[in-house]
Amino acid sequence: DAGVIQSPRHEVTEMGQEVTLRCKPISGHDYLFWYRQTMMRGLELLIYFNNNVPIDDSGMPEDRFSAKMPNASFSTLKIQPSEPRDSAVYFCASGLQGVLAEAFFGQGTRLTVV
Amino acid sequence: GDSVTQMEGPVTLSEEAFLTINCTYTATGYPSLFWYVQYPGEGLQLLLKATKADDKGSNKGFEATYRKETTSFHLEKGSVQVSDSAVYFCALSDLNNAGNMLTFGGGTRLMVKP
Repeated sequence: DAGVIQSPRHEVTEMGQEVTLRCKPISGHDYLFWYRQTMMRGLELLIYFNNNVPIDDSGMPEDRFSAKMPNASFSTLKIQPSEPRDSAVYFCASGLQGVLAEAFFGQGTRLTVV
Repeated sequence: GDSVTQMEGPVTLSEEAFLTINCTYTATGYPSLFWYVQYPGEGLQLLLKATKADDKGSNKGFEATYRKETTSFHLEKGSVQVSDSAVYFCALSDLNNAGNMLTFGGGTRLMVKP
């Protein structure tokens, strides 16, 4: 398996524009996570899905953020409208149910909002 | 709720020095414990793990022992290399939490100089 695949790797956009980040989890994994990483706040869990259903979105900063998982092999994180403070690296991770609970991370999308 | 506390970095060492990165946790249940490593420009990857008290996780010369009595999971390596320069994250997964969610510490940056 190629691992968790995120696209794009880098995104530069203007304030007010819509941004869509994409994630393809590892085949067979039933959990998918979206994280945001910044220097100020470190690694934050935004939302996670189990079997394509959102379980906990309490980490989503505000209504401008939304995430979907229409099927087991694809998820999106959308920011509309984007703001400069949304600039961060966004990671997608997937995993399997179980005690070991290892999460496999993608390489991240570096978002810059100017 | 669950939480993980790591020593703040950066930690700067010379090559072949001994490394310790402290990690302590609080959890309502009986968690599994993990160390993840993030190399520059990449996502997090699992370094080692332990699922019960007194278990020792080890990988690539790194070790950490699950100490229930002190609620700690300190990361150690006897002789660091320049290639170990990265950010290290301690994390826990508690089955009392809904689902498979990992709780991460703030990360510790390690810089190894030749």
